[in-house]
Amino acid sequence: GEDVEQSLFLSVREGDSSVINCTYTDSSSTYLYWYKQEPGAGLQLLTYIFSNMDMKQDQRLTVLLNKKDKHLSLRIADTQTGDSAIYFCAESRLDNTGKLIFGQGTTLQVKP
Amino acid sequence: EAGVTQSPTHLIKTRGQQATLRCSPISGHTSVYWYQQALGLGLQFLLWYDEGEERNRGNFPPRFSGRQFPNYSSELNVNALELEDSALYLCASSLLQENTGELFFGEGSRLTVL
Repeated sequence: GEDVEQSLFLSVREGDSSVINCTYTDSSSTYLYWYKQEPGAGLQLLTYIFSNMDMKQDQRLTVLLNKKDKHLSLRIADTQTGDSAIYFCAESRLDNTGKLIFGQGTTLQVKP
Repeated sequence: EAGVTQSPTHLIKTRGQQATLRCSPISGHTSVYWYQQALGLGLQFLLWYDEGEERNRGNFPPRFSGRQFPNYSSELNVNALELEDSALYLCASSLLQENTGELFFGEGSRLTVL
């Protein structure tokens, strides 16, 4: 199937690390993405990882990819209240259909 | 540089009416994508246009249609509106030949069907 799955909700305290998990189904996925959606806004690309990498770090963000288990995670260090948003993982495939397959999104709530 | 722009921001219609949503891609981008974000359903792929042609469509009925104009802007039309069409409609653009396949999203048009 086409499913990309994420847990729906995560709550953390300000200053803690957040880890958002995602599983995907297609081993032919080329790029995997993390998008952020703030209330009332569109999606903003946070970071992406190519499928032949297993880790990518970008300031407070760390992406881990386990291709064998088809598991992707996003770690946000020192989580701030401004990080409260919905986080979507998405995969891009080699099938040339032009679409990204999105997960349902994980709502991150950061408590002060 | 201007991002992807969508209009209208909000639209209220009644069942059976038609809705038209518009999207202007980032300058230089030839591909436009439409996604539906309904409550609790995540983002569902609707349509992909490139160079004026429909390249792919998602699992939606034919009353969802659209087009892409010579300036690469795009229109999404939804005919015979149903209550479950209420959603945020997101447009995205990209450069087709860009290897990363990154999509740049607009802020969406929220359609409410009463």
